[in-house]
Amino acid sequence: TQLLEQSPQFLSIQEGENLTVYCNSSSVFSSLQWYRQEPGEGPVLLVTVVTGGEVKKLKRLTFQFGDARKDSSLHITAAQPGDTGLYLCAGALDYKLSFGAGTTVTVRA
Amino acid sequence: EAGVAQSPRYKIIEKRQSVAFWCNPISGHATLYWYQQILGQGPKLLIQFQNNGVVDDSQLPKDRFSAERLKGVDSTLKIQPAKLEDSAVYLCASSFPSGSETQYFGPGTRLLVL
Repeated sequence: TQLLEQSPQFLSIQEGENLTVYCNSSSVFSSLQWYRQEPGEGPVLLVTVVTGGEVKKLKRLTFQFGDARKDSSLHITAAQPGDTGLYLCAGALDYKLSFGAGTTVTVRA
Repeated sequence: EAGVAQSPRYKIIEKRQSVAFWCNPISGHATLYWYQQILGQGPKLLIQFQNNGVVDDSQLPKDRFSAERLKGVDSTLKIQPAKLEDSAVYLCASSFPSGSETQYFGPGTRLLVL
């Protein structure tokens, strides 16, 4: 059983469209991390959000941490084929990470 | 700075055989983690080391899995005997300073048990 629920499980969009991935939990975390994992590779950290209500922007990616520190979202603006990959959220508590099952994003050229 | 190294990258074995995976963390990283990632799922923590001591192995199937981190640097994860359901990607990660919540992952070892 995954502590964190991610939705949707799969997402296929056209280049230039926007997308949002959600990560929800009933647990409170000290921080929440988003990773992207490409085929044949390990997860690579994109961002860590720590404060409830925090919003972080990295170029075309916007990350939001819920006020209660239980949920988060990742929004990609004007998606590009290079954004294709498995997006994983992970909640941190006592220096341990609990991962969601991931959202597989495919951006078609 | 070199990343987390893992070997082998791929391994195919038959059930009931044994297999070992090796991990070399980022230099100076005190904490080392082994995760199991089954297809369609997120990584699941198997064991966490702080230097050469075990911090958490509550989700390690100890009847068949074992891990060690001699001298607090490299680590090996062993499965003996392997079962079909052990087919997965085994990821190693490290973090620094001790207690940091930022983990750096290696490329993983893809295991197929036939």
